[in-house]
Amino acid sequence: NAGVTQTPKFRILKIGQSMTLQCTQDMNHNYMYWYRQDPGMGLKLIYYSVGAGITDKGEVPNGYNVSRSTTEDFPLRLELAAPSQTSVYFCASTAQGENEKLFFGSGTQLSVL
Amino acid sequence: DQQVKQNSPSLSVQEGRISILNCDYTNSMFDYFLWYKKYPAEGPTFLISISSIKDKNEDGRFTVFLNKSAKHLSLHIVPSQPGDSAVYFCAASVASGTYKYIFGTGTRLKVLA
Repeated sequence: NAGVTQTPKFRILKIGQSMTLQCTQDMNHNYMYWYRQDPGMGLKLIYYSVGAGITDKGEVPNGYNVSRSTTEDFPLRLELAAPSQTSVYFCASTAQGENEKLFFGSGTQLSVL
Repeated sequence: DQQVKQNSPSLSVQEGRISILNCDYTNSMFDYFLWYKKYPAEGPTFLISISSIKDKNEDGRFTVFLNKSAKHLSLHIVPSQPGDSAVYFCAASVASGTYKYIFGTGTRLKVLA
């Protein structure tokens, strides 16, 4: 099992550009999450999904969009990149029976210049 | 409003001694807590958890204590090893079925050989 896979690992965007951060998991988890981590800060929840077709906002959703068309994939979309979105983004997943623990991907480091 | 707080940004401990990492929370509805360890350029990895029906959970060298009246939990690592040097995050959730965790800002532990 690969677990949670995120692509790309690194990306530099210009202000106003858009991009999609990809996240896929092969554990058949129904719950998926996007977090961002700013330097010296904890992880902030952006969006989450409790199953295919269902998404909801987290703590810091502004400037982002998500979709969940399949159980495996949970892409995060930045429409108009801003310097404030420079961060490391982590995708995570879990399921009932996993003792409530989240499994994280290795992250995407994004810089908006 | 930071619902989960880790007030010590860093901690240095001698190898073989005890490391104590602290976490405070403000939301009395939180009833499940996790600790994660994070190495640079990697995603967080699960360490240990505790539910509000317990006040202690042990796993090898790692023990988590929960004091519900004080809204405080702590992670004890005994004995500390150089490989334990990492950033440690605590996270809290309400058992609503979404596993939507709120993370603290992290404590960087350095174990000195």
